[in-house]
Amino acid sequence: DTEVTQTPKHLVMGMTNKKSLKCEQHMGHRAMYWYKQKAKKPPELMFVYSYEKLSINESVPSRFSPECPNSSLLNLHLHALQPEDSALYLCASSRNRDPYEQYFGPGTRLTVT
Amino acid sequence: GDSVTQMEGPVTLSEEAFLTINCTYTATGYPSLFWYVQYPGEGLQLLLKATKADDKGSNKGFEATYRKETTSFHLEKGSVQVSDSAVYFCALKRNSGGYQKVTFGIGTKLQVIP
Repeated sequence: DTEVTQTPKHLVMGMTNKKSLKCEQHMGHRAMYWYKQKAKKPPELMFVYSYEKLSINESVPSRFSPECPNSSLLNLHLHALQPEDSALYLCASSRNRDPYEQYFGPGTRLTVT
Repeated sequence: GDSVTQMEGPVTLSEEAFLTINCTYTATGYPSLFWYVQYPGEGLQLLLKATKADDKGSNKGFEATYRKETTSFHLEKGSVQVSDSAVYFCALKRNSGGYQKVTFGIGTKLQVIP
């Protein structure tokens, strides 16, 4: 199983809502990543978890809150987002914290109204 | 800082045409270089990689050679198919503060018409 799954595929939320994005992998990978991809732009790294501990936060605003409940799951909690946060949010995983071989999920298309 | 430059496209080709997507980079040290492909509605997939100068990465008929003298990693395929239509991202990986940081190019959209 070389699949990273993400739910939901699409999400529309208001600026006062609280929602969560979920990511799951069963490849035994110990590093997981959140990326943000705006239209016609490359993915931008947001967070890295290594062995279930947050190791990289690329100066992401606190309205984005990551969580890694166990080695297979990665969540991104969203609260008080802005319209400019609308984007494709990609999850990825790799065997360890060296992202030499990253496996990406299909992403969640988020629209903030 | 590190950067990767590639054409945005779209690049439109007829089936069986020759493909070149240019990629140049700026980085200190000796980065590893990658091409990723993103099919519509999907995440990124690693297409090929090269870890040192003069290495050639290849996969599914695609090739790219790590040219340190020209800081380039151009993607080529001799005969494209409709199924190759996707967005192609050039990327580099370099050690930064104990972490292997990946920098992506803007992505080049390829459209192959029958």
